[in-house]
Amino acid sequence: TQLLEQSPQFLSIQEGENLTVYCNSSSVFSSLQWYRQEPGEGPVLLVTVVTGGEVKKLKRLTFQFGDARKDSSLHITAAQPGDTGLYLCAGASADSWGKLQFGAGTQVVVTP
Amino acid sequence: EAGVVQSPRYKIIEKKQPVAFWCNPISGHNTLYWYRQNLGQGPELLIRYENEEAVDDSQLPKDRFSAERLKGVDSTLKIQPAELGDSAVYLCASSSGRGSYNEQFFGPGTRLTVL
Repeated sequence: TQLLEQSPQFLSIQEGENLTVYCNSSSVFSSLQWYRQEPGEGPVLLVTVVTGGEVKKLKRLTFQFGDARKDSSLHITAAQPGDTGLYLCAGASADSWGKLQFGAGTQVVVTP
Repeated sequence: EAGVVQSPRYKIIEKKQPVAFWCNPISGHNTLYWYRQNLGQGPELLIRYENEEAVDDSQLPKDRFSAERLKGVDSTLKIQPAELGDSAVYLCASSSGRGSYNEQFFGPGTRLTVL
């Protein structure tokens, strides 16, 4: 059972468009991480958010952690084909350090 | 710095056969994880090691799965006998345990197909 719900499951857009991916849970997390996974590879960490309401920017990617630390979003501005991949969110609870709960992921395809 | 190394990258076996996966974590990383990722899903933790001690194996199907991390470095995950439902990607990850928030570094995975 995935405690983290990601939406949408699949997103296909044209190069230059913007997109937002959501990660929601009924649980409170002490930290939340976003990973990107390309075919045939393992997930690669993009960012860790730890404070409710926190916003982090990584070039064209903007990550936000909800005020209650139960949800997060990833916004990509002017998407490029290189942004194609499976975006996974993963949450850690204060009482289970070392254990990440992953969402099922959002498959993003950016076509030229 | 070398990343997490896994082998083999692909494995195809018939059901009821044994199979083993090997992982070499990033040098100096004391914590090692084995995950299973089914198609269309996120990774699910099988077992976590702190050095050579398995500190969380609650999700490991112990009737057929076993793991070891001798000397607290490399690790091996074994399935015996394999079942059709074991087809998945098996990911190994490591973290330093230092700093903040358990940032994990993943290997490329082993894609297992059970026929």
